[in-house]
Order: sequence, then C-alpha cells, then structure tokens
Amino acid sequence: AQKITQTQPGMFVQEKEAVTLDCTYDTSDPSYGLFWYKQPSSGEMIFLIYQGSYDQQNATEGRYSLNFQKARKSANLVISASQLGDSAMYFCAMIGGGFKTIFGAGTRLFVKA
Amino acid sequence: ETGVTQSPTHLIKTRGQQVTLRCSSQSGHNTVSWYQQALGQGPQFIFQYYREEENGRGNFPPRFSGLQFPNYSSELNVNALELDDSALYLCASSFTLALLGGLGEQFFGPGTRLTVL
Repeated sequence: AQKITQTQPGMFVQEKEAVTLDCTYDTSDPSYGLFWYKQPSSGEMIFLIYQGSYDQQNATEGRYSLNFQKARKSANLVISASQLGDSAMYFCAMIGGGFKTIFGAGTRLFVKA
Repeated sequence: ETGVTQSPTHLIKTRGQQVTLRCSSQSGHNTVSWYQQALGQGPQFIFQYYREEENGRGNFPPRFSGLQFPNYSSELNVNALELDDSALYLCASSFTLALLGGLGEQFFGPGTRLTVL
C-alpha cells in the first residue's frame, strides 16, 4: 500500500534562512510522482514542485528544491531564503500507477521576522 | 491560460440532502481529480476522471459519484449527505498523455467549502 509520512507537525525558521521539510514515502509501484504543495490559510493548494521517480536530477523551482533520495524513499523539500509569506501548511503527495494520489498529514511552517 | 475554477465557493446543506460541486479544468488539461479535506487534515483522494471515465478511486462510498464532460470539466455528486461530509472539496486538473502516463503535475482549484448541518 502507498503511504506518505511527514513527521514534523510544525517547524519554525528565521526569515532569510533555509529550511528542510521532511517527507518519506512507501510504494511498490516502479513508476510514481512526488509533489509538494503549499496551502496558506486561504485554503487554496498551490503547486510548488514535482519529481518523477525516473528523474535523474533533483527538481528545482526558484527557491524550492526537492532532495530526492530514491533508495531511502525520501523526498524532502528545501526552501532557501525563507520569507514571511512562506508561512503556511506544506503537504507532500505521491501519485502511483493506480492513479490514486495520497497526501501526507502536512507540516505547518512558521517564518519568524 | 486559465486556471482551475470551482463552484460554488461555499455551500450549506442539511443531512440527507444531495449536493453537486463543479470544476473547470485548466486549459490544455484532460484529467480531473477530486479530494476531500477535513479541517486540520491532508486531502483525501476521492476519484479521478480521464476521458470521461473514472480511472482511480479512493476509499469513499458509492454515494460519492462524479462525471467528466467532453470539455474536461467535471462534477462531484454526493447523495444522502452526512455530518462528516463537511469539508473543503478540492478539484485538481492535470494532463495525461496516455492511460499509463498520468503522473504529471496537478493544479488545484480554490475549493468548495461544504457544511452539512
């Protein structure tokens, strides 16, 4: 069965510093995709970054990078130079061959001025 | 390029009623997925539609049903509403090249907040 685990319910980071949000996954599908989304208090789910299981290089999108370690089944999100507007819930998600997307429980990030 | 839109934004229903939520996919996308997000939790996958057929379903009872139309827009129908159905319902669209190639990015709409009294 597929599973996503986010072990950090809440994280604090100082403005302008980098922060890593952890995500581990479990799947028996040989082909899958991993996502990170940001959900501000407004409720909208904002796509941040995507990593395919066969992608050789770690995905990057601006200040976001995904540290993909396939053997360890981890897909951590790194946010560089944190900004106050980065305060939100962050969800890790996975889609597999069964076209069923599962989400982790989320990590609430607090950026301090 | 237009993004994913959902209607209505808010809805209040009573137990036992039926509800229909609507979603327009992003331009160029052909696949729609629906999620239920209870307060304080991550989204739970309900089902996905591709080429007007359901091709993936989560652990939701049959009273949750859907449709996808030729223009790739979609509806989520919930019959016999229960109090626990109160949640934010999110729609996401993506592009699938072929039935086994639908692992690309999903983009979400703003959601419909359903309250069941």
